[in-house]
Amino acid sequence: GIQVEQSPPDLILQEGANSTLRCNFSDSVNNLQWFHQNPWGQLINLFYIPSGTKQNGRLSATTVATERYSLLYISSSQTTDSGVYFCAVRNSGAGSYQLTFGKGTKLSVIP
Amino acid sequence: DTGVSQNPRHKITKRGQNVTFRCDPISEHNRLYWYRQTLGQGPEFLTYFQNEAQLEKSRLLSDRFSAERPKGSFSTLEIQRTEQGDSAMYLCASTVAGIQETQYFGPGTRLLVL
Repeated sequence: GIQVEQSPPDLILQEGANSTLRCNFSDSVNNLQWFHQNPWGQLINLFYIPSGTKQNGRLSATTVATERYSLLYISSSQTTDSGVYFCAVRNSGAGSYQLTFGKGTKLSVIP
Repeated sequence: DTGVSQNPRHKITKRGQNVTFRCDPISEHNRLYWYRQTLGQGPEFLTYFQNEAQLEKSRLLSDRFSAERPKGSFSTLEIQRTEQGDSAMYLCASTVAGIQETQYFGPGTRLLVL
C-alpha cells in the first residue's frame, strides 16, 4: 500500500516562531488532508489539499502532487497550536476510499 | 450541524468481554469510516460504509470485529472476546461521497482491556 512519511517527528518551538512540516507519499493521490490532533485526541481538519496551495489564517499548505509531497506552514505559532499534525492520503490507483495516515509530527509550542 | 458524536467516550473492560461502540455521523453524510489509533501512531483504517452497505474492510478487522450501519444512519462497532491488544482509540469519521471528500472525525472512544 501507499507509504506516508512525515517529518520531523517532533518539533519544539518558541511562541511566535514559524515552522514547516513535511509529508512525503509514495504513490499518486486524489485526496490529501492535514489534521491537527489536540491533546484530548480530537482530530480537526485543517486542509483538504490534493494539489495546489491554500491558506487559512496563520496556516497554509502546499501540495506538489507530481513530486509526491505536501508542506504545512505554521506562522507566528501559539501555544494552542501544540498537538500532533497528521497528513493523510488516498491512493488514486488503489480503488479504495480509505485514508492512509502518516505517524504525525508532534509540535510543542512553549511560551 | 452538531458534528460526529461517539459513545461511550471511555470504556474499560476485562479480557474476554464483548464491547460495542456507537457513532452518529453528521446528518447529511452518506459515508462513514472507522479507524483505530494506538499510542504514537496515526489512525489506521478499519472499515467504511456508504449508506448502509459495508464496502471495504481492512485486514486489521479480524473475525472478532463486526460493524453495522442499519438504515444508513448511526453505526456500531462490536469487538467480541476482547484482547489486551485491542486497547486503542476507536475513531469514527463521516463525509459526503463526491469529488472533494473531507473526513470529519468524532472525539473517539478510548478502550482499555485489562
